[in-house]
Amino acid sequence: ETGVTQTPRHLVMGMTNKKSLKCEQHLGHNAMYWYKQSAKKPLELMFVYNFKEQTENNSVPSRFSPECPNSSHLFLHLHTLQPEDSALYLCASSSPSKASAYQETQYFGPGTRLLVL
Amino acid sequence: AQTVTQSQPEMSVQEAETVTLSCTYDTSESDYYLFWYKQPPSRQMILVIRQEAYKQQNATENRFSVNFQKAAKSFSLKISDSQLGDAAMYFCAYNGRSSGDKLTFGTGTRLAVRP
Repeated sequence: ETGVTQTPRHLVMGMTNKKSLKCEQHLGHNAMYWYKQSAKKPLELMFVYNFKEQTENNSVPSRFSPECPNSSHLFLHLHTLQPEDSALYLCASSSPSKASAYQETQYFGPGTRLLVL
Repeated sequence: AQTVTQSQPEMSVQEAETVTLSCTYDTSESDYYLFWYKQPPSRQMILVIRQEAYKQQNATENRFSVNFQKAAKSFSLKISDSQLGDAAMYFCAYNGRSSGDKLTFGTGTRLAVRP
């Protein structure tokens, strides 16, 4: 596998279910990101992890719980979601240095299409 | 806060023709990067081209080039000799020094390529 992979690609869940999204990067990067993509809205950054430490939580509801066990893996644990949480969830990775983080390109996975019933 | 605006929700181009997608942004910073990402139906977001604000020369990548107008805060993408595989959503994104590694995206432009 190369690049950034995400599983599952599609997920349908009820509001009382618990599920997890998985992201894996094979690029040797040290930072990983979760984005939410809803129709006709800009991508929303949810979480940022750098060297396994969470550096950003963009006011995301607690029903979304991220986990980053190492620099190559990122999870998003979902529980008691709402229908408005239905969206495409994208994972990305990069190698930002402290001095030049803004210069680095982020590489994205194919996303997980989530439908909450 | 920085904002990125893509005013064209949809565009269409004839195969082999040229199309320009527009993007404007708002920032008070002088040191930043701009990106164009392509998202085909497979949904994988792919970097098309990037531009450093301090470089006056417009970036080019094969058939893709940008028209970067720093004073006007405009960053348009030109696709020459359009191909069927260019059909996708195109997102403009901004990242400034103060933002670290947090990209700000526009709402995207859906490009259709007519055979």
